Amino acid sequence: QKEVEQDPGPLSVPEGAIVSLNCTYSNSAFQYFMWYRQYSRKGPELLMYTYSSGNKEDGRFTAQVDKSSKYISLFIRDSQPSDSATYLCAMSARNTPLVFGKGTRLSVIA
Amino acid sequence: NAGVTQTPKFRVLKTGQSMTLLCAQDMNHEYMYWYRQDPGMGLRLIHYSVGEGTTAKGEVPDGYNVSRLKKQNFLLGLESAAPSQTSVYFCASRSIRGTGRSSYNEQFFGPGTRLTVL
Repeated sequence: QKEVEQDPGPLSVPEGAIVSLNCTYSNSAFQYFMWYRQYSRKGPELLMYTYSSGNKEDGRFTAQVDKSSKYISLFIRDSQPSDSATYLCAMSARNTPLVFGKGTRLSVIA
Repeated sequence: NAGVTQTPKFRVLKTGQSMTLLCAQDMNHEYMYWYRQDPGMGLRLIHYSVGEGTTAKGEVPDGYNVSRLKKQNFLLGLESAAPSQTSVYFCASRSIRGTGRSSYNEQFFGPGTRLTVL
């Protein structure tokens, strides 16, 4: 079992839909959780960060971490065509390199 | 600030040829990373460096070597390229955001190098 599992999709939704992206993990030492967004032919860029369990909201984006279930989620409200990208979850324990999920490719159709 | 830059952007090699990928950052970051990204495999860490003169192996280091002679540069070398090394290579550097318990590491990625080995 890989340390981080993420459904690669692709996921296609209509504009305005709520999008839910998820990752599961197996390493209970992970305490730093991130979501990166990667546009086609570009490098990833940090979108959201959460430390340990809980929720974090930033505009239309909400990140959730449930450490008891080893499950993290990213919600996108009122999705826009500009949200079309690959979303990668990433996580790490203290002072260890990030471990990335495979990424979920999202298309938002106008 | 240019951020993280990578040279070259594209390259085609024949099996057995060697090459060096250059990564440069102008943000004075200590930590730098090399990843490869393949369809269905996500980002996999090849090697990383925690400071000038240091290197460490990541998840998939075989067939690659690295050097960090200057803080701002991180070089990735392929001594004898193989078709299995066809990939998109990303370099990243890391900064620490925030303070105390709320601090976290943010990685800044370069634009990538598309390498094809025939």
